Amino acid sequence: SFELTQPPSVSVSPGQTARITCSGDALPKTYTYWYQQKPGQPPLLIIFKDIERPSGIPERFSGSSSGTTVTLTISGVQAEDEADYYCQSADSSGTLFGGGTKLTVL
Amino acid sequence: EVQLVESGGGLVQPGGSLRLSCAASGFNFSNYWMSWVRQAPGKGLEGVANLKEDGSEKYYVDSVKGRFTISRDNAKNALYLQMNSLRVDDTAVYYCARDGDRGFEYWGQGILVTVSS
Repeated sequence: SFELTQPPSVSVSPGQTARITCSGDALPKTYTYWYQQKPGQPPLLIIFKDIERPSGIPERFSGSSSGTTVTLTISGVQAEDEADYYCQSADSSGTLFGGGTKLTVL
Repeated sequence: EVQLVESGGGLVQPGGSLRLSCAASGFNFSNYWMSWVRQAPGKGLEGVANLKEDGSEKYYVDSVKGRFTISRDNAKNALYLQMNSLRVDDTAVYYCARDGDRGFEYWGQGILVTVSS
């Protein structure tokens, strides 16, 4: 199965834009999903099918895709956005998650 | 309201067995793939196993093949994970999650499995 690669950490100041990437050779052929996880909580779906946002998720969260890289963008980062973020996809072998990115709001 | 509630976790010795259960409510359980996802302490998420609506297809991560079995009872709205030959590196919080077109849209709160002597 293929791998999904994320940067271990991203840091931004409040109000700035955070971009978290997820790379994988098979990404052009499959959808990607993004999850936010805060300590002690289960993951929360924030983006599905590369670019769609579930109801209740703030508009500052958006997804994009280009070739073998998908990107989660958080515009106007707020302190409450500090969390771990995971990309996820699937292939014929099952479910695959990226290693996760810790977003720190300075 | 969709609810997923895991049970059956706890402390077990290496080589032992546990059976996790997930009680589902608030949606038509038999219409969805279901999955188990785990998270070792301080680590990332790992898809363990997933199971088609009617139980006819199932997938496992390589590290649990031959040791874990995912199953479901659609009449009881329940998902199971039978875990045998447990190893120390199976220690994790195990989440039950509903799988669908939107990915894992709903998750349980998770149940801790600790494998230790």
